[in-house]
Amino acid sequence: DAGVIQSPRHEVTEMGQEVTLRCKPISGHNSLFWYRQTMMRGLELLIYFNNNVPIDDSGMPEDRFSAKMPNASFSTLKIQPSEPRDSAVYFCASTLGWGPGTDTQYFGPGTRLTVL
Amino acid sequence: AQSVAQPEDQVNVAEGNPLTVKCTYSVSGNPYLFWYVQYPNRGLQFLLKYITGDNLVKGSYGFEAEFNKSQTSFHLKKPSALVSDSALYFCAVRGGSITSGTYKYIFGTGTRLKVLA
Repeated sequence: DAGVIQSPRHEVTEMGQEVTLRCKPISGHNSLFWYRQTMMRGLELLIYFNNNVPIDDSGMPEDRFSAKMPNASFSTLKIQPSEPRDSAVYFCASTLGWGPGTDTQYFGPGTRLTVL
Repeated sequence: AQSVAQPEDQVNVAEGNPLTVKCTYSVSGNPYLFWYVQYPNRGLQFLLKYITGDNLVKGSYGFEAEFNKSQTSFHLKKPSALVSDSALYFCAVRGGSITSGTYKYIFGTGTRLKVLA
């Protein structure tokens, strides 16, 4: 299995521009998580989906952030407009299920976002 | 409410010596606990987990973790550290249920392990 795939791996953009991050979970996994990692704030959970449905988006920092999962094999995290404080590494993770034996998280390689 | 604490930002250990990375947790109900490792410029990788059963859990790369219910701890251990073990280690706790909308998967702040040659 290819694991969780994220694209792009690096993104440099200017303040005010729209940024779209993409994630393909492991085939057969039913849940997907988006995280943000910074030196100051550590690893933050932004939103997670179960069977393509958003379950908890309480970690999304503000309305500039939105996430979608149109099907089981694809999710996007969009920032519009972007700001320099959004600079971080964004990770996507997927799990097979929600039970105690199936919710080990498998992380993608991350997207390093730099907003100038 | 679920929470997890990693009291040490950094742990230094000499190669060949045993290592311990500490984690304490708070959870209502049965604790499901995890350790993940992050190497530079990589995503987190699963190391091991405790669901039930033996208090000593064995995982990848020779790591193990000891679950202690009375101390609410889940410390990560390795008998003999390698320089290649140098990385950022995260403890995580899972709690709640998806059906009630209370599902939480909470990561600690991470502990940087430096193994010195």
